[in-house]
Amino acid sequence: DIQMTQSPSSLSASAGDRVTIACRASDNIYTYLNWYQQKPGEAPKFLIYEASSLQSGVPSRFSGSGSGTDFTLTISSLQPEDFATYYCQQSRSPPYTFGQGTKVEIK
Amino acid sequence: QVQLVQSGAEVKKPGASVKVSCKASGYTFTNHYMHWVRQAPGQGLEWMGIINSSGGATRNAQKFQGRITMTRDTSTSTVYMELSSLSSEDTAVYYCARDPSPGESHVFQFDSWGQGTLVTVSS
Repeated sequence: DIQMTQSPSSLSASAGDRVTIACRASDNIYTYLNWYQQKPGEAPKFLIYEASSLQSGVPSRFSGSGSGTDFTLTISSLQPEDFATYYCQQSRSPPYTFGQGTKVEIK
Repeated sequence: QVQLVQSGAEVKKPGASVKVSCKASGYTFTNHYMHWVRQAPGQGLEWMGIINSSGGATRNAQKFQGRITMTRDTSTSTVYMELSSLSSEDTAVYYCARDPSPGESHVFQFDSWGQGTLVTVSS
């Protein structure tokens, strides 16, 4: 199985900050990497697919980059509604594994 | 708009089975594969399997082999996930999630999600 490791596990930031979350795959997944946002008590929301493509309706302050084994999710200017947990997920090979999540908290 | 509405919470005893439903609306049901993903309390997300909403073919994660059954009813635009031989480790919120790629292709991304169904396994 491909292991997905996110860092950090949590971070504290203020509104307006630039935030970067890293995701590393245990094997080459090319750009088969997706990002989701989850708020407490809610289902995940699809943010970015294939490493860098923004899902329709997602604000442009979200961006993704990377290929191979190393990927990043960047929020250019953190908004109050962005405080949530973020998950990366590989869609290269089964089982389609997720990272353990990065919780973005208010400083 | 796409809507996935799941059945309500369940409490089951160890060894029992549970069947969760997911009713789709707002798109052509048979045009998109459907996945099942679960999340144990306070934990991350785990992909369980995928079903072809048109033909009914399924593929599941090896971890659930022999315990998971996914079916669909095209007349009601509903998919079902049944998990058997439940243990406390199966206590989780179970989500259905649509694959965004239309037709016979599927990309193993999840663009729309149900609200989740909490399954609690307890004696």
